[in-house]
Amino acid sequence: GESVGLHLPTLSVQEGDNSIINCAYSNSASDYFIWYKQESGKGPQFIIDIRSNMDKRQGQRVTVLLNKTVKHLSLQIAATQPGDSAVYFCAEGGDYKLSFGAGTTVTVRA
Amino acid sequence: DGGITQSPKYLFRKEGQNVTLSCEQNLNHDAMYWYRQDPGQGLRLIYYSQIVNDFQKGDIAEGYSVSREKKESFPLTVTSAQKNPTAFYLCASSVSGGNQPQHFGDGTRLSIL
Repeated sequence: GESVGLHLPTLSVQEGDNSIINCAYSNSASDYFIWYKQESGKGPQFIIDIRSNMDKRQGQRVTVLLNKTVKHLSLQIAATQPGDSAVYFCAEGGDYKLSFGAGTTVTVRA
Repeated sequence: DGGITQSPKYLFRKEGQNVTLSCEQNLNHDAMYWYRQDPGQGLRLIYYSQIVNDFQKGDIAEGYSVSREKKESFPLTVTSAQKNPTAFYLCASSVSGGNQPQHFGDGTRLSIL
């Protein structure tokens, strides 16, 4: 079965609000985590990553939080925009391989 | 521009036919990967290569084959042994194998005639 999964398959957000996308992972040996955004008909686009020696990392309008105690990962998007509508995947890594969850579809309401 | 190019964007396969999907990168990355994506699902690893002339099976390698004769190129052949080939195929590369971002192409959608 999948070692990485997202809590909710869909998320609807009002434009301008903050979005929080959650992800649970099961492999406690994973030491690398990454978020991707995928628009329809395109390949996944890298958003942000974090290693297991950190619990928070910030990028432009995005923050990733890692809670190793409960094996939980989240992606926060500040001031969500219509261009943020997409499917978001988390993935966990150890050694060479990334394992992907099924994704959360984010829809931004105007 | 540097990046990963997959071709063709759409591909149709007849029963019993082998088809080859192209993946080329000009990022000077050592590692390359092939994934399969089915509707509403995440990506599943088919094959990966960490260096030229070497590759390993991923989680769902049956019915697929690859080669890595050049650093820039990692073609995937979907053989007639793959009974359910209809999917979106994604190629990725990274600087080297290990814990770092993989950069993806825009995929090839394969359908059965």
